[in-house]
This record gives sequence, structure tokens and C-alpha cells, in this order.
Amino acid sequence: QQQVKQSPQSLIVQKGGISIINCAYENTAFDYFPWYQQFPGKGPALLIAIRPDVSEKKEGRFTISFNKSAKQFSLHIMDSQPGDSATYFCAAQGQGGKLIFGQGTELSVKP
Amino acid sequence: DAMVIQNPRYQVTQFGKPVTLSCSQTLNHNVMYWYQQKSSQAPKLLFHYYDKDFNNEADTPDNFQSRRPNTSFCFLDIRSPGLGDAAMYLCATSRKQFLVEKLFFGSGTQLSVL
Repeated sequence: QQQVKQSPQSLIVQKGGISIINCAYENTAFDYFPWYQQFPGKGPALLIAIRPDVSEKKEGRFTISFNKSAKQFSLHIMDSQPGDSATYFCAAQGQGGKLIFGQGTELSVKP
Repeated sequence: DAMVIQNPRYQVTQFGKPVTLSCSQTLNHNVMYWYQQKSSQAPKLLFHYYDKDFNNEADTPDNFQSRRPNTSFCFLDIRSPGLGDAAMYLCATSRKQFLVEKLFFGSGTQLSVL
């Protein structure tokens, strides 16, 4: 019940296209859903986050869509650029503030 | 810039030889975390400190220990590294223990065990 399932495992998108990464959770007590971006050889960095009281949050080219009833949330990257190539982790905040990470999606944006 | 700094960037140790990884932060955050990340996997929380209070994850092996001598520094000690302990070790901080809104990660230490 503490798991966060992320898909796809890898994604290849053409420059200018839309990248979509999906996550699903089971624990309805989760109340905070961040996305982290990790470049090779670096630690993850917070990209964007959402709380379940809103259905969508947009920051620049990055949008989180949140479906509370389905217990799913997704990251959309509009106008994807080669510089967006990285591994993306969704996460959910569980009991005691602990972040539960998804398995990660390796995104490659082709020029 | 305030940040989380991990040293060394790469660490090579021998099977069974104790090794210590270090982390320092200039953010003055109360909480410091150690994560283990194996290739193509999600970061796995090993333990965290809230101030001086140590919180171990239930599935963290006894082989892993940690010290936090002051607010700025935290160490990860692996008493007898095995081949399966080869991984990236990430230190992170947060301002709060609960209602964590952002983890600040260091660049990690890549540990190899020969």
C-alpha cells in the first residue's frame, strides 16, 4: 500500500513533442506528490509538486495532472527539448513525511 | 550558494573494508537523510536524522550506520561492505521532518566495492 508505480520505464520523444509519464498510488493518506528530475551523475532535484486539493498545476512547460478518484497523477512536458533528457521520479509523501519514490522513467529527447 | 555537498565523488573500497562517506550542508536544515540508489532504481531511504534524533528504516541492514556530530555534517559508515552495497549514496536535507515540501540532494558518492 506504500508503493508508487511509475510508467513507462523509458521514453523516447522527438524534440518539440509531448512527454507523458504516469504514476499510480494506493494509499489514500498520501497528501503531497512531487516530481524529481535527475541528470546522470547528479542527485535528484525537485521539479514540480502538487497537493490533492487541485487537479492540475503548471510551471512553464511542465504540468502535473492529478486524478484523486483514480489515484493517479502524471507529468506532462510540453515542447520537449534535448536538455530535458533525464530520469524522472514521481513520489508521494507518506506517513511521517517520508517520501515514497516511483521506479523512475528515463526520458530521451531526440533532436 | 547554499547547498548539500558530498565527498568524495567516487569511492572505491575493498570487500569487507570499512568505508565512510561524508555529507555537509550550508542550508541549516534540521533533517538529513541518506539514500541508497542502485543503477536504474529509485532512491531507497536508509535512515534520517531530525536534529540529533536518529531514525532507522526497518529494512536497513545493520551494516549501515550513521553519525551526525553537528547540524552541518552527517556521515554514512558501512562497516563491512559487500558487493551488493555498490551503489550511489545520496545525502539529502529538508527543513521539516513532517510535511516535507522539498528534499535538497547532494550530487552523491558513487561507491564501488572490489
